[in-house]
Parts: sequence; structure tokens; C-alpha cells
Amino acid sequence: GNSVTQMEGPVTLSEEAFLTINCTYTATGYPSLFWYVQYPGEGLQLLLKATKADDKGSNKGFEATYRKETTSFHLEKGSVQVSDSAVYFCALYSGGGADGLTFGKGTHLIIQP
Amino acid sequence: EAGVAQSPRYKIIEKRQSVAFWCNPISGHATLYWYQQILGQGPKLLIQFQNNGVVDDSQLPKDRFSAERLKGVDSTLKIQPAKLEDSAVYLCASSLNRAAGGYNEQFFGPGTRLTVL
Repeated sequence: GNSVTQMEGPVTLSEEAFLTINCTYTATGYPSLFWYVQYPGEGLQLLLKATKADDKGSNKGFEATYRKETTSFHLEKGSVQVSDSAVYFCALYSGGGADGLTFGKGTHLIIQP
Repeated sequence: EAGVAQSPRYKIIEKRQSVAFWCNPISGHATLYWYQQILGQGPKLLIQFQNNGVVDDSQLPKDRFSAERLKGVDSTLKIQPAKLEDSAVYLCASSLNRAAGGYNEQFFGPGTRLTVL
């Protein structure tokens, strides 16, 4: 079956530090890959996506590249801000009979001023 | 545009009691999903509707969970009777339509946090 593995948190960084959150996946076929973000007290929001190998998704300074050879979709940001503090979920969609997303366990990111 | 609405936001019940959650999707969205998010885990799909029909309910514990979307708009998820392990956040999401060779973005509501004592 499909699965997503992402690095455990919490991840604590200082403001303006470089961020990497690792994500690897197992799926049949060629899934689409996503990063969702959940800010405190809010619902899940799509941060970025990539639908095929070598695609790079980007939004709000965050980037992730779909690497088929390593089955990875690592999230990066060059300079984090306090407002980036949230829980980040890596997810995949593989299509087929149902359209539900398969999520990783989430990584809690804490940015200190 | 209004987002996905859910109520209540919080619910505390004792085990063996019943509880119901309500979801109103974004207007015009044909597909509706219920996810269960246990603390420390990612959301897990429970059931997916296309209009008022069930597309997938393979991970719904049907001995205690039920869901309906009678008029193809809002939906109710019920647990009867609740167990301690049902404590979780229940998320509702909606999308324009079922993916046909692609992915339609799912928009999530704020969730209902259920605590079973």
C-alpha cells in the first residue's frame, strides 16, 4: 500500500535559519506529492505540490522537488520566519478508485526569534 | 468564498455514548471526505462521497461509525458507541469533483476535536 515517512519533530530553528524537512514515500505508479501546513487553530492548507518526476513545487519561499529515483519530496526554505511555526504534512495522491490523500505523521516546526 | 464549515469544534463524551459531527462543504464541491487525525499522526481517510453516493469507505469502522450525505451537500459523521481510541480530530474536506486523470485540490475544514473519557 501507499505510505509516507517524514522526519519526526519537533524541529526547532532560529529565525533566518535554513529549513529542510525530509519526506520519502512508497506508492504504486506515479503519485502526485504535496506539502500541507497546519497553523495553530486552523485547518490544513495546501502549501505546494508536484505532479510528476523532477517537478518543483514552490510557494511562500518554500520549495520541494519530486525525486522519483530516491522517492523523496523534501521541503526546504532558505530563511524561516517566526510565522512559519506550524505542523507540516507530506502527502501523496495515487489515484485509482478513491481519491483520498495518504499523509505522513507531520513535523512540528518551531521558529524562535 | 466561504470555506469548509464544521461543527462542533470541540466535543467531550464518555465511552459508549454517541456523537455526531456536521460538515458543510464549499458550495459547488461534489466530492466530500471525512478524515480521522489521531494525535501525533497524519489524517487517515475514513470515507469519501461523490454527491450523495459513497466512493470509498474501506477504512470506516462500520460497526460503530456511519456517515451520510443525503442531499449531496452537507454531511454527518456519527459514532455509536464511542470508544477511548476514537479520541481524535475529525476533518472534513471537499473538492470540486472526483479526479479524472488528475488531482482536484482538497480544501479542509478546521476539524472537530473529540475527546472520549
